[in-house]
Amino acid sequence: DGGITQSPKYLFRKEGQNVTLSCEQNLNHDAMYWYRQDPGQGLRLIYYSQIVNDFQKGDIAEGYSVSREKKESFPLTVTSAQKNPTAFYLCASSDEGRGQPQHFGDGTRLSIL
Amino acid sequence: QQQVKQSPQSLIVQKGGISIINCAYENTAFDYFPWYQQFPGKGPALLIAIRPDVSEKKEGRFTISFNKSAKQFSLHIMDSQPGDSATYFCAAATDSWGKLQFGAGTQVVVTP
Repeated sequence: DGGITQSPKYLFRKEGQNVTLSCEQNLNHDAMYWYRQDPGQGLRLIYYSQIVNDFQKGDIAEGYSVSREKKESFPLTVTSAQKNPTAFYLCASSDEGRGQPQHFGDGTRLSIL
Repeated sequence: QQQVKQSPQSLIVQKGGISIINCAYENTAFDYFPWYQQFPGKGPALLIAIRPDVSEKKEGRFTISFNKSAKQFSLHIMDSQPGDSATYFCAAATDSWGKLQFGAGTQVVVTP
């Protein structure tokens, strides 16, 4: 069954720690995205990648980093520089020729201890 | 500031009724307008999308109406069912690789 797997579902971070959120897809999609969702707000784009070994900043990239070493994987690191990391993080993908996400994972909820 | 304004923030509709969600935008370069449906604890799912060369698109009980001159588009959910209770997001993008700009979302509750 094709889809996007995000792990873990819940994640807790202590102040000053970096944490990495996993995103894996078996849809053979070229493009992958990370979004942040806060209550009462729409989704905001953090980073996106159209192809392996290449990625671009979205609207709110500060305090985040990504890598795209494999087509199926697009991990997101929330660094200690992100001052307000508590949010619901969503990974998404789309196939060639589509610049907008077609499939989303079920998200990771990050909280600060 | 949000480039796509969505209203209402929430709505309650009786089973069998019509749910209407409205979105407005300013950027006339937007040419792709999708709607997403999100259930609690899940990621959004692409529901239906429209491009500005058509004024209406229907898929089952879901219809998008698009008014290019008014820079508005709306989602109508006909014969609303309790299973339609979810948060709905409108969005817009400028071209094939344009970044999506999302509305703030509308929480729809369908009462039995």
